[in-house]
Amino acid sequence: SQQGEEDPQALSIQEGENATMNCSYKTSINNLQWYRQNSGRGLVHLILIRSNEREKHSGRLRVTLDTSKKSSSLLITASRAADTASYFCATDPNDYKLSFGAGTTVTVRA
Amino acid sequence: DGGITQSPKYLFRKEGQNVTLSCEQNLNHDAMYWYRQDPGQGLRLIYYSQIVNDFQKGDIAEGYSVSREKKESFPLTVTSAQKNPTAFYLCASTTTGSNQPQHFGDGTRLSIL
Repeated sequence: SQQGEEDPQALSIQEGENATMNCSYKTSINNLQWYRQNSGRGLVHLILIRSNEREKHSGRLRVTLDTSKKSSSLLITASRAADTASYFCATDPNDYKLSFGAGTTVTVRA
Repeated sequence: DGGITQSPKYLFRKEGQNVTLSCEQNLNHDAMYWYRQDPGQGLRLIYYSQIVNDFQKGDIAEGYSVSREKKESFPLTVTSAQKNPTAFYLCASTTTGSNQPQHFGDGTRLSIL
């Protein structure tokens, strides 16, 4: 069953702008993960944030987690054409199964 | 280089035919997973295995079967009972323990002839 839901479904931005996408989920979690998928390829893990963490950074990525609101956000700063992809959040309620949302499709225009 | 290899990249199935998708990993991961992805949707779990010779059904196991005879390999068979098999199939693996990300292969696209 899909627990995470991303918003918006699609996002189009100019190169150099920031992109923000959100993920909401329904039940308690051990961690929340963000993945990127380029067209026709597998998913690539971007960042994992544990339930006791509120914010995490990795390069141009910033992830926040609010467990009281059951939501997370992924911010990509200074976007590049190579950031064009679909982004998925996945929740991990029990350490061995992930539940994925439907994803946000990001298009970065040159 | 360590990673997950899925083959073939494209596969076509005739009516009434079973087809097998291959997934091999050399990451020494204990757990392996099969997901189905339909256009515009997220990933849905078909089967998963946490250890050799053991596997569990996921959310959409009907019409699929798996085996886990070796740690490195987790093949998925799409049987003729799966009436709508056209999709993108993704295999993943992870090491056991808390807070571990999954590593994905590059997928197999299955279509009906």
